[in-house]
Amino acid sequence: SQTIHQWPATLVQPVGSPLSLECTVEGTSNPNLYWYRQAAGRGLQLLFYSVGIGQISSEVPQNLSASRPQDRQFILSSKKLLLSDSGFYLCAWSGRGLGNQPQHFGDGTRLSIL
Amino acid sequence: AQSVTQLGSHVSVSEGALVLLRCNYSSSVPPYLFWYVQYPNQGLQLLLKYTSAATLVKGINGFEAEFKKSETSFHLTKPSAHMSDAAEYFCAVRAFYGNQFYFGTGTSLTVIP
Repeated sequence: SQTIHQWPATLVQPVGSPLSLECTVEGTSNPNLYWYRQAAGRGLQLLFYSVGIGQISSEVPQNLSASRPQDRQFILSSKKLLLSDSGFYLCAWSGRGLGNQPQHFGDGTRLSIL
Repeated sequence: AQSVTQLGSHVSVSEGALVLLRCNYSSSVPPYLFWYVQYPNQGLQLLLKYTSAATLVKGINGFEAEFKKSETSFHLTKPSAHMSDAAEYFCAVRAFYGNQFYFGTGTSLTVIP
């Protein structure tokens, strides 16, 4: 069966520090990968998605970047965190092909910027 | 373009009462539709999905949803609410050949004992 791992679960970082969040998927190949941010009491904001190694689509201009160095690895990074980067970050994957395949989410990372 | 509207950001029901969470979609072609549930500080869990095989879809935890093309709706229902159903619920749409998912803003369900 497929599983998705996301870490760390919680993170407290000072303003201006770098960030690296990692997500890996097991049990599937060539997945679509996604990073979302969820502000407190808000819906999901798509940050990045990837359809293959090295292929990243950015949905909103921001202080963040994403990379996909391996087929089942997706990394969210920042060189200098801002207070506005606080939130709940979710990684997800979906299968390729027809759109009848749902997304599957990791457990999320709670990021607090001080 | 795809979009999803969830009417009612907060819904409260008594334990044992009917749960009805509303979702309307906008799509130029028949979409694929999904309902997810999110418990506090957790990721989203798939409740059910509509993939054109049947208009009434049954999911986990006793939830079901009915696809109504004429109303462009995909409302989520459960006959009898349990305390454990208290959570945030999201409706989502995916285009026929698309890679992106479009989520509604979510509905927070409170179950009153």
